[in-house]
Amino acid sequence: TQLLEQSPQFLSIQEGENLTVYCNSSSVFSSLQWYRQEPGEGPVLLVTVVTGGEVKKLKRLTFQFGDARKDSSLHITAAQPGDTGLYLCAGASNEKLTFGTGTRLTIIP
Amino acid sequence: SAVISQKPSRDICQRGTSLTIQCQVDSQVTMMFWYRQQPGQSLTLIATANQGSEATYESGFVIDKFPISRPNLTFSTLTVSNMSPEDSSIYLCSATTGGWEQFFGPGTRLTVL
Repeated sequence: TQLLEQSPQFLSIQEGENLTVYCNSSSVFSSLQWYRQEPGEGPVLLVTVVTGGEVKKLKRLTFQFGDARKDSSLHITAAQPGDTGLYLCAGASNEKLTFGTGTRLTIIP
Repeated sequence: SAVISQKPSRDICQRGTSLTIQCQVDSQVTMMFWYRQQPGQSLTLIATANQGSEATYESGFVIDKFPISRPNLTFSTLTVSNMSPEDSSIYLCSATTGGWEQFFGPGTRLTVL
């Protein structure tokens, strides 16, 4: 069974601070995705990383895929209240996704 | 991309009854999936809905409990059968259009009394 552990599970920080969320697995994935989910909605894709060591930036969000394609991180710079949500990493293999345990992020104005 | 709608958005059901959830996509998609999510927690894949054939279930999920249909490339249903309070959850439908990205519906919040 493939497991993706995210840390921290919960994070509450002040607006303007920086944060990093980690996603770790013992399995290798073809690609790794990050989703954000808001209450009452389905997850929405933020980014897909495919190559080991790959770094992608999406405005204030920086995503990194580990060299061995087993782990990933999401760094948010100068967090805003609009960043509040449930962040989920997901590993892709055989056309299916295995979702991580999730990180509930709250940005306090 | 694909826009996905689900019906109903929420329901409260009695123990022992069954509920069928519908998932409609606004365009033809290659793969469709059904997930379960406890509020505030992660997603667990129930099954892959295959067009024209039986769904492929993940470990811990069986067809008798979660029968799935996919009669065409834009529509699927998930039935939660003989419900118990442990089935209370959010059920999400998703679809892909050929790449890795999955597009999700808004979910169906089910409460079983």
